[in-house]
Amino acid sequence: GAVVSQHPSWVICKSGTSVKIECRSLDFQATTMFWYRQFPKQSLMLMATSNEGSKATYEQGVEKDKFLINHASLTLSTLTVTSAHPEDSSFYICSAIGLASRSSTDTQYFGPGTRLTVL
Amino acid sequence: DQQVKQNSPSLSVQEGRISILNCDYTNSMFDYFLWYKKYPAEGPTFLISISSIKDKNEDGRFTVFLNKSAKHLSLHIVPSQPGDSAVYFCAASLSGGSNYKLTFGKGTLLTVNP
Repeated sequence: GAVVSQHPSWVICKSGTSVKIECRSLDFQATTMFWYRQFPKQSLMLMATSNEGSKATYEQGVEKDKFLINHASLTLSTLTVTSAHPEDSSFYICSAIGLASRSSTDTQYFGPGTRLTVL
Repeated sequence: DQQVKQNSPSLSVQEGRISILNCDYTNSMFDYFLWYKKYPAEGPTFLISISSIKDKNEDGRFTVFLNKSAKHLSLHIVPSQPGDSAVYFCAASLSGGSNYKLTFGKGTLLTVNP
């Protein structure tokens, strides 16, 4: 159980275009989803926390207008990288916490990640 | 500022021997620590965790040790198996409330040789 999927698994786009990445919890409902970014040989950096039906909370230094997050249902969150540039090329990973979660120590379940390359 | 540090980018161990992965943290407010394992092209999977009220937690071949005074934790895998070859991430968080933020280290690539 507790499977999280991401689509697409990889995407190549031209500079200036927008790219949407989907994160789905397949066998559980997720009140909260998280979006991380990982540059090569670096740690996973939390970008934003997304709660179903409300606005996402962005970490310091993450541009909310550039990285649009929508958490429209309890099983789906989307990250849209708007007007992508080569410096946005990275590995984007989402994670989710189940509906029954009551503690920050509850396990986050991670998706397989999306490799974005902006030419 | 890297609040969670994994200073060894890689570790190579012989099958059957012990693997010891280390992690240091700087934020004394962290009180919950986790280890995640990641295979290529997959997301991290939860391995084991420890609360700051403990100094050891064991789950099968995996044991995590926490030294709060040194702000250091380690993951021991014994005996190591080739299937354990992966990147291991140490993560820390503040328990309580609704703060689920995890702060990750850069990871250590473990290679277990047959």
